[in-house]
Amino acid sequence: KAGVTQTPRYLIKTRGQQVTLSCSPISGHRSVSWYQQTPGQGLQFLFEYFSETQRNKGNFPGRFSGRQFSNSRSEMNVSTLELGDSALYLCASSLGNPGANEKLFFGSGTQLSVL
Amino acid sequence: GDSVTQMEGPVTLSEEAFLTINCTYTATGYPSLFWYVQYPGEGLQLLLKATKADDKGSNKGFEATYRKETTSFHLEKGSVQVSDSAVYFCALSGRGGGSEKLVFGKGTKLTVNP
Repeated sequence: KAGVTQTPRYLIKTRGQQVTLSCSPISGHRSVSWYQQTPGQGLQFLFEYFSETQRNKGNFPGRFSGRQFSNSRSEMNVSTLELGDSALYLCASSLGNPGANEKLFFGSGTQLSVL
Repeated sequence: GDSVTQMEGPVTLSEEAFLTINCTYTATGYPSLFWYVQYPGEGLQLLLKATKADDKGSNKGFEATYRKETTSFHLEKGSVQVSDSAVYFCALSGRGGGSEKLVFGKGTKLTVNP
């Protein structure tokens, strides 16, 4: 069974640009979550999607957005990039049964560098 | 809001040494508790979890017990190996609302020398 796939693996952008990151969950998983990992702030929750609906959202500015498609694949978008957006962006998937506290399976992440 | 505090690293041990990484949490209600491990260049992998007080999670020789009275979930291993070198994250997931959102500690980097 294929794991969580994130593309691209590395990305270099300049300030002011926008970027789209992609995540394909494990087959059969309906929940996808996104996390930002930085040396200073650690791992911070961005958002969670379940069956194309945003189920939860972290404390990030509106420049950060996401969506989930009918096949459970998810994308996140960051507009008007700032230097502080440089981070490893991790996607995680699970079956998504509400309240089940299921195991999350993480992808290897997309390393975004903003110059 | 919910938060997790874990001991600052880095931690450097010799092979076969005993490992403890402290983790305490603040949360409303009764969260589920997790330890995740991140190897270089990879995403996070679930190491173990506990969903209620006094539960003990265990995997690959690692153990942690959910202590409600001390709001702690310390990670232990009796004899570490070089292959255990990684960053370890303590995390919690609150109950209610159907969300799987995790709140993570800052991580503790472990290096095991032969």
